[in-house]
Amino acid sequence: QSVLTQPPSVSGAPGQRVTISCTGSTSNIGDYDVRWYQQTPGTAPKLLIYGNDKRPSGVPDRFSASKAGTSATLAITGLQAEDECDYYCQSFDSGLSGSIVFGGGTKLTVL
Amino acid sequence: QVQLLQSGAEVKGPGASVKVSCKASGYTFTSYYLHWVRQAPGRGLEWMGWVNPASGATNYAQKFQGRVTLTRDTSRSTGYMEVTRLTPEDTAVYFCARDFYDTANNHNYFDYWGHGTLVTV
Repeated sequence: QSVLTQPPSVSGAPGQRVTISCTGSTSNIGDYDVRWYQQTPGTAPKLLIYGNDKRPSGVPDRFSASKAGTSATLAITGLQAEDECDYYCQSFDSGLSGSIVFGGGTKLTVL
Repeated sequence: QVQLLQSGAEVKGPGASVKVSCKASGYTFTSYYLHWVRQAPGRGLEWMGWVNPASGATNYAQKFQGRVTLTRDTSRSTGYMEVTRLTPEDTAVYFCARDFYDTANNHNYFDYWGHGTLVTV
């Protein structure tokens, strides 16, 4: 059971917009930044978003994110086939001896 | 360019120990914390702990305290993760990741990852 809760799967057609939620609590998302990582099978995760809503250079602006209270949301617009992979949110949790925590991951399927 | 090169796949019996290495290149090894994250087959990412390469200080997820040891060798720019008393539930890909800290904006994140090391128990 992950500290941060994500839907196991989401789907959308090419060109559509999808969102992935990440729900936590006051000891993690409520007080600390959220990052999002993208992972294709068999490879290491790749940073997608940091500081709740900031894109590293090289990440397309189709990817955006926000945070409100104890939840965060990743949005992907103009869905492309290459977006089909797993997405993870991450934060810090002060209630677990200073631990990094991940969401359980969301599998995005492009229909 | 920054690279984290991990050691090769391991196969161990229950009760054994395994030690995985993560050799850093392309940056000053002691300037960035090194984290370890594992991923069981078909499962999500699980944070294990970090080591401060400059001081050797460590912090572990509660689940792994007492069974996981993170160390580093600054002369080799290499971090190590050892897991003892292995069980089949420890079968996973183990990743090391560099923790980048943006001091100007107080943000940190894992910007570079190793390719992963499969440990099979």
